[in-house]
Amino acid sequence: GENVEQHPSTLSVQEGDSAVIKCTYSDSASNYFPWYKQELGKRPQLIIDIRSNVGEKKDQRIAVTLNKTAKHFSLHITETQPEDSAVYFCAASPTGGGADGLTFGKGTHLIIQP
Amino acid sequence: DAGITQSPRHKVTETGTPVTLRCHQTENHRYMYWYRQDPGHGLRLIHYSYGVKDTDKGEVSDGYSVSRSKTEDFLLTLESATSSQTSVYFCASLKGARDGELFFGEGSRLTVL
Repeated sequence: GENVEQHPSTLSVQEGDSAVIKCTYSDSASNYFPWYKQELGKRPQLIIDIRSNVGEKKDQRIAVTLNKTAKHFSLHITETQPEDSAVYFCAASPTGGGADGLTFGKGTHLIIQP
Repeated sequence: DAGITQSPRHKVTETGTPVTLRCHQTENHRYMYWYRQDPGHGLRLIHYSYGVKDTDKGEVSDGYSVSRSKTEDFLLTLESATSSQTSVYFCASLKGARDGELFFGEGSRLTVL
């Protein structure tokens, strides 16, 4: 089955700086790669996703890049703000929208230092 | 958020007792999932359903069973709870196969003593 590795497990950045979280996956059939944000004590929520026919996708301060050859994808957050502090999970799925369930990475705790 | 709720939100039980967690969604989503979340492990899929009475196993299904008799309800049962099943359990739903966005419930914290 799919295996998703996520790094780093903890990331501390100064407010206003950029943050990058990286994930690798093992199943070359995977074609859907979402990112979820989970604030303390809350439920995970989708922040951005990318499909294998696209190399990069942006939404305001967040962007995701995908390298299918190397089987890795990354989340980029620019101009970080205190509300970006949370745990971020990457995930992968070999079915178009994750219908058979997503395989998640272990999460990155992003800390924004004032 | 999609209308997806879990009950109970918190439960403490003893080893060997049966436990059932309920997930209810009002969005008429076809797909539903149960995940467990543990420190250092992220979210791991226990079971999922792709329609009424249609379910399948995820990566950590041992010791768990599920049932889906109605579109809106997905039950997770621990037949005989063990301490290793102490966790936070999240239910999620997906509208359609290519829709992508999982909508999660609020989570149920289960402690097995």
